[in-house]
Amino acid sequence: NAGVTQTPKFRILKIGQSMTLQCTQDMNHNYMYWYRQDPGMGLKLIYYSVGAGITDKGEVPNGYNVSRSTTEDFPLRLELAAPSQTSVYFCASSYLTPSTDTQYFGPGTRLTVL
Amino acid sequence: GQQVMQIPQYQHVQEGEDFTTYCNSSTTLSNIQWYKQRPGGHPVFLIQLVKSGEVKKQKRLTFQFGEAKKNSSLHITATQTTDVGTYFCAGPLGEYGNKLVFGAGTILRVKS
Repeated sequence: NAGVTQTPKFRILKIGQSMTLQCTQDMNHNYMYWYRQDPGMGLKLIYYSVGAGITDKGEVPNGYNVSRSTTEDFPLRLELAAPSQTSVYFCASSYLTPSTDTQYFGPGTRLTVL
Repeated sequence: GQQVMQIPQYQHVQEGEDFTTYCNSSTTLSNIQWYKQRPGGHPVFLIQLVKSGEVKKQKRLTFQFGEAKKNSSLHITATQTTDVGTYFCAGPLGEYGNKLVFGAGTILRVKS
């Protein structure tokens, strides 16, 4: 199993550009999550999904969109990139809810918006 | 809203010294999870505590869950350079526990 994979590893965007961060998991996990981590800070939840076709907002959803058309994939879309979105983005997955299960993280995408 | 707080923010120890990080939640948690993130890496799950007063050990690491299930600690005995990284605690959030709220983490640096 590859676990949770993310592409790209690094990206530099200009202000106002858009991009999609890809996340795929091959563990047949129901739950998937997107976090952002600013330097020296903890993880902030952007969006999460409890299954294909079902998504919900986390703590910091503004400026982002997600979709979950399959169990495996959970892309994160940035529209009109802003410098405040410079961060490291982690995708994670779990089979069950955080009430009972742990999360597996991808390697991250380091995004810079200039 | 529910918060998970961690202290200290940063600790620099001499190799061989002990290290402890503390985690406090504003609400009772169904479980507490601990993750480690090496510099430049991604968070990796260490352990989950579920029962009130639970204590678990992994080699030199000792994890505790408070009696009220609102606080937790991670203690490392005789730190090694391989222990370097950021340690996060996290607890389920929301009515159905579908979201995990992370503490800000404790950065551990070890001088050899």
